[in-house]
Amino acid sequence: QVQLVESGGDSVKPGGSLRLSCAASGFTFSDYYMSWIRQAPGKGLEWVSYISNSGSTIYNADSVKGRFTISRDNAKNSLYLQMNSLRAEDTAVYYCARDGVPYYYDRSGYYLYWGQGTLVTVSS
Amino acid sequence: QLVLTQSPSASASLGASVKLTCTLSSGHSSYAIAWHQQQPEKGPRYLMKVNSDGSHSKGDGIPDRFSGSSSGAERYLTISSLQSEDEADYYCQTWGTGSRVFGGGTKLTVL
Repeated sequence: QVQLVESGGDSVKPGGSLRLSCAASGFTFSDYYMSWIRQAPGKGLEWVSYISNSGSTIYNADSVKGRFTISRDNAKNSLYLQMNSLRAEDTAVYYCARDGVPYYYDRSGYYLYWGQGTLVTVSS
Repeated sequence: QLVLTQSPSASASLGASVKLTCTLSSGHSSYAIAWHQQQPEKGPRYLMKVNSDGSHSKGDGIPDRFSGSSSGAERYLTISSLQSEDEADYYCQTWGTGSRVFGGGTKLTVL
């Protein structure tokens, strides 16, 4: 069965850096676009970034442009989020999610599978 | 700009039905959306994708009590025979070139 397991969440000071990982299993990782989505405490879901199956196409939300970098290693079935210049408003649970259909099917960007999330706290 | 609008809250009685609405922004009425459920203290779970023609495809294990439909720029999630475990936040989500968008979510209370 499909599993997405995030790790790397921690407490960090403003201006610091953190790298999140998402280990994927149960499907052909290299066939799917992947995303990071976050949820601040008591707030709704916010899309952060997505990456194409090959890693050649990346899009980021305006709120993280220039600070966060999404990447993937298809040989390791892993997705990453490098977060730099962290701010208090980046405090959230970060989820990785997989698109519903493989890249060769269509461009549907709905999330069929979600991880359990990892908590990032940015505080002095 | 691609935006999804949801009412912040809804309520209905145990055993009753409720219809949640997600509205696409002007110019985007042909877009499909997905519904996700987030129960308290849990991660989100995919419920279904709803197309502009009202057809929908549910995730594995999603009960028949959950259904989707469309009208113009509105996409609906109907839950019938409400159960206590349906009390949750419900988010709609869509996608465009270079972006993925979530609605603000609807908190459903089962009375």
